[in-house]
Amino acid sequence: GAGVSQTPSNKVTEKGKYVELRCDPISGHTALYWYRQSLGQGPEFLIYFQGTGAADDSGLPNDRFFAVRPEGSVSTLKIQRTERGDSAVYLCASSSTSGDTQYFGPGTRLTVL
Amino acid sequence: DAKTTQPPSMDCAEGRAANLPCNHSTISGNEYVYWYRQIHSQGPQYIIHGLKNNETNEMASLIITEDRKSSTLILPHATLRDTAVYYCIVRVVFSGAGSYQLTFGKGTKLSVIP
Repeated sequence: GAGVSQTPSNKVTEKGKYVELRCDPISGHTALYWYRQSLGQGPEFLIYFQGTGAADDSGLPNDRFFAVRPEGSVSTLKIQRTERGDSAVYLCASSSTSGDTQYFGPGTRLTVL
Repeated sequence: DAKTTQPPSMDCAEGRAANLPCNHSTISGNEYVYWYRQIHSQGPQYIIHGLKNNETNEMASLIITEDRKSSTLILPHATLRDTAVYYCIVRVVFSGAGSYQLTFGKGTKLSVIP
């Protein structure tokens, strides 16, 4: 079946702009995670959704970052007033329930100029 | 901080078994050992996980020591396509808070050589 998909695959923006990154989880998966991966590092946790609610947002670096999952399926990660330090690959993962194995999407590479 | 220690890099000859070690000396009884790999410019790919017993699937085998303080991922016949960064991760079996976030370290860069 289809895996996790993320769009766009690449996003280039200018400092100060607003961006939205989209994640389509595996169909039927109730748990969804966002991670961020900087060059040469492993992925770092940002936020976790169980259904429509953000159950754990402890990894969001500051209040410029926000994520939603209004219908319990697709999720959007939103970054306001982007900074050059936000440049990274943003990864989404989903699992069938909250304790099951997470499967990752291909990521969105964000470049802030 | 990651709760695992892995060598930064390893080489393996094509067709030979690749044995990737991981130290997790502070693991608790409520924690799985998970392995993922990441091929260049792709998202992490799940390989295998285990709690106490050794596990095998179509991709790899996972050997966990009896004291659970270390494990080894075995790719039985490495191919060039297995060149990737391999991450060993310790993750709670059950979380009262409901979040099962993965904490990645820097992993082991495995290079399969022709």
